[in-house]
Amino acid sequence: EAGVAQSPRYKIIEKRQSVAFWCNPISGHATLYWYQQILGQGPKLLIQFQNNGVVDDSQLPKDRFSAERLKGVDSTLKIQPAKLEDSAVYLCASSTTLDRGRNGELFFGEGSRLTVL
Amino acid sequence: AQSVAQPEDQVNVAEGNPLTVKCTYSVSGNPYLFWYVQYPNRGLQFLLKYITGDNLVKGSYGFEAEFNKSQTSFHLKKPSALVSDSALYFCAVRDKGGNQFYFGTGTSLTVIP
Repeated sequence: EAGVAQSPRYKIIEKRQSVAFWCNPISGHATLYWYQQILGQGPKLLIQFQNNGVVDDSQLPKDRFSAERLKGVDSTLKIQPAKLEDSAVYLCASSTTLDRGRNGELFFGEGSRLTVL
Repeated sequence: AQSVAQPEDQVNVAEGNPLTVKCTYSVSGNPYLFWYVQYPNRGLQFLLKYITGDNLVKGSYGFEAEFNKSQTSFHLKKPSALVSDSALYFCAVRDKGGNQFYFGTGTSLTVIP
């Protein structure tokens, strides 16, 4: 079974520039998550999708961050304009949903490390 | 509100000794609990989970965890630590209603040769 795919693995940009990260979840996983992980901290949920609908985006800084999952499969997270404090690893994860009776764990991609200079 | 606490930022243990990484939780209802490991420059990898049943669950790489409902704890254990176990460990709880996961702040484990 193929894992969660993310790209790019590394990105360096200047502040006020824009960046986009892509994620392809495990086939059949309806739920997709984007997390931000700042060095030395645990993952912080940015947005959660169920198929192509948003379940939770309460911690997404909507003035600069946006995310979409148009066909309910892969997803893109965009930051525009970037700030220095956005330097972090952006982790994508997917899971099965409970309504199928399967208590699924999260499967993570390798992450996209963003450095904002 | 659901939450997870990992009281130790850092745990050091000698190679060959038993290790414990602590986790306590606060959830409404029965918890779904997970442990993940993160190696440098990698994503989080699933180690084990508790959903129901036996309080002692076994996972990958010889790790196990004990669910203790009265103490609301889910400590990660391994009988004999390896240097290669050195990594960052995260405890997580899943909200059954919303499919949301809540992560602890992580514990950095160092196994000393």
